[in-house]
Amino acid sequence: KAGVTQTPRYLIKTRGQQVTLSCSPISGHRSVSWYQQTPGQGLQFLFEYFSETQRNKGNFPGRFSGRQFSNSRSEMNVSTLELGDSALYLCASTRDSMNTEAFFGQGTRLTVV
Amino acid sequence: DAKTTQPTSMDCAEGRAANLPCNHSTISGNEYVYWYRQIHSQGPQYIIHGLKNNETNEMASLIITEDRKSSTLILPHATLRDTAVYYCIVRVVGSGGGADGLTFGKGTHLIIQP
Repeated sequence: KAGVTQTPRYLIKTRGQQVTLSCSPISGHRSVSWYQQTPGQGLQFLFEYFSETQRNKGNFPGRFSGRQFSNSRSEMNVSTLELGDSALYLCASTRDSMNTEAFFGQGTRLTVV
Repeated sequence: DAKTTQPTSMDCAEGRAANLPCNHSTISGNEYVYWYRQIHSQGPQYIIHGLKNNETNEMASLIITEDRKSSTLILPHATLRDTAVYYCIVRVVGSGGGADGLTFGKGTHLIIQP
């Protein structure tokens, strides 16, 4: 079956702009989590959605937001982009919210200039 | 504070068993040990997880000490494709409050030598 699909794979934005990233989880998976990976901070948890509800949130400013649709697809949005938002954004899907094994997508590489 | 401690890097010869240690001395009774790896420029990949018994799957074996304060991930016959950063993570399963984020530390950079 198809894996986790993230689009786009690469993105270049200007400071102050906003960006929306998309994640399609594995079919039948209802939980989607988002992570940010940078060379300095490593992999950091952003938030997790289950059945269209945000269940957990990491320590990121309000400029980072997300949502999940009824088909479990998820989007994350970053407003008022800063240079420090340049990172690899990863999406992970799990079958349910019981912390079973997570399947990660290839990520979206965001560069803010 | 970090929940797990792993060596920064390790080398292993191709075809030999790679043994990756992880210390988790403050692990709670309801926390599982998870292992993920990340090959360069790819998303992390789940390997294995366990609570207190040793576990084995098609990728690896997980050996957890009786006091659960440490564990070892074993790749039985390492190949060049196993070169990656390996993350040891402890987390509660089934807390009922939704999936807590995985807390990735620095991991161990395993380099398989030809």
